[in-house]
This record gives sequence, structure tokens and C-alpha cells, in this order.
Amino acid sequence: DSGVTQTPKHLITATGQRVTLRCSPRSGDLSVYWYQQSLDQGLQFLIHYYNGEERAKGNILERFSAQQFPDLHSELNLSSLELGDSALYFCASSAVTRDGELFFGEGSRLTVL
Amino acid sequence: GENVEQHPSTLSVQEGDSAVIKCTYSDSASNYFPWYKQELGKRPQLIIDIRSNVGEKKDQRIAVTLNKTAKHFSLHITETQPEDSAVYFCAASATNAGKSTFGDGTTLTVKP
Repeated sequence: DSGVTQTPKHLITATGQRVTLRCSPRSGDLSVYWYQQSLDQGLQFLIHYYNGEERAKGNILERFSAQQFPDLHSELNLSSLELGDSALYFCASSAVTRDGELFFGEGSRLTVL
Repeated sequence: GENVEQHPSTLSVQEGDSAVIKCTYSDSASNYFPWYKQELGKRPQLIIDIRSNVGEKKDQRIAVTLNKTAKHFSLHITETQPEDSAVYFCAASATNAGKSTFGDGTTLTVKP
């Protein structure tokens, strides 16, 4: 158990819909990262928040948005969903902002039909 | 931005043999190089990491080497076992970059 909690574990929805994925980092970790892993693909960086502020952004689509709340949990919002958005979405947290081990959650598997 | 290339994409070895996975990176500012193991249906987990002030690091059957001049680093697994079968990802990050860039992964299969 990494200490990072993600919900829901599985989500099936239709094209055009909107979903919200939730992540609670390890106790004490201020950084939250979101990664997308499509089938048989690598880990694509989406976005990083540190203590409520956006610190880095990857190739995140405009249809996607995220935020980190005062209690440090984070939400990834995916809207106008397309078939290609089907993927495993991982949240990770770390103890430092610069470099260090990422602790991954179990992931949220999104299936868009 | 940083670009990390990982080779090979698949690797099959006999139990007891060694396995080597190589990664190259593009950003000379990168100074932290972790390796993650992802078993089927599970989350990635760190197995070993190395920082730019070190050339080699070893942990039991696993070792990582770093060549800063050539911008490449490698994972070495000796005496492989079937439970080593998984996808391995290398990554690179720089201080204050705010993210780790991952390679595309290597699927390692260890045949009994």
C-alpha cells in the first residue's frame, strides 16, 4: 500500500460525458502528479500540483482540468470524453517538489464507450 | 523539454540469466533517474534510483549505472527470477522541473 488513494477504481461512461477522478496523497506529501497510461503505453505526464498551486503541465488536453484543494486532495476533471480517453489514470505524490520517489495510487481505469 | 528513450521494448531471458535495460535522456539538467517496476494490473513502484553525483548504485540483484557525459543510464538485473517479469520504466527529472519524464517501458519476461 503506497498510501495514495484513488477513486473510483473503475469507471465506464459514454462519449461526450464528464467524469471526475479523485486522489488523496500520502499523509504529509504536498505534491500531487497525474499521469495517463493508455493500453500498452507508457506513463504520460499530465499535471503537477504543489500545495494547491500548479507547478508543471504536460500535454494535458484543454478538455481536462485539475485542481488541488486545501486539504491537499486533488481532482482530475475530464470532459467531452472521447473513445481515445480510455486509459488508466494514475495519481502520484511525493514528499519534495524537486526530485524524489513518486508514490503511485492504484489508478482509476476509465472506459469510454 | 526532456525526452527519455528506452530500449528494448521487450526482453525475454531464461531464469538465472542477466537482463539489461538502457535509457537515454536529452536534458543535461536532469539529475535524478529512478526505475519503476509495474506488474500486470498494478501500480508502478520504485525499485532503484540514482542521482547525478553517483555513477553506480547496487541493491542486491539490481544495479543502475549512469553516464552523464553520454546521457544514458542502465538497469541491470542479475540472476533473474520469474517474479522479475513485469514492465520496467526508467524516468528522468531535473531539480525544479516539477515532473518526471518516463520512458516507454520494457516488458521483461523471465522464462522458468
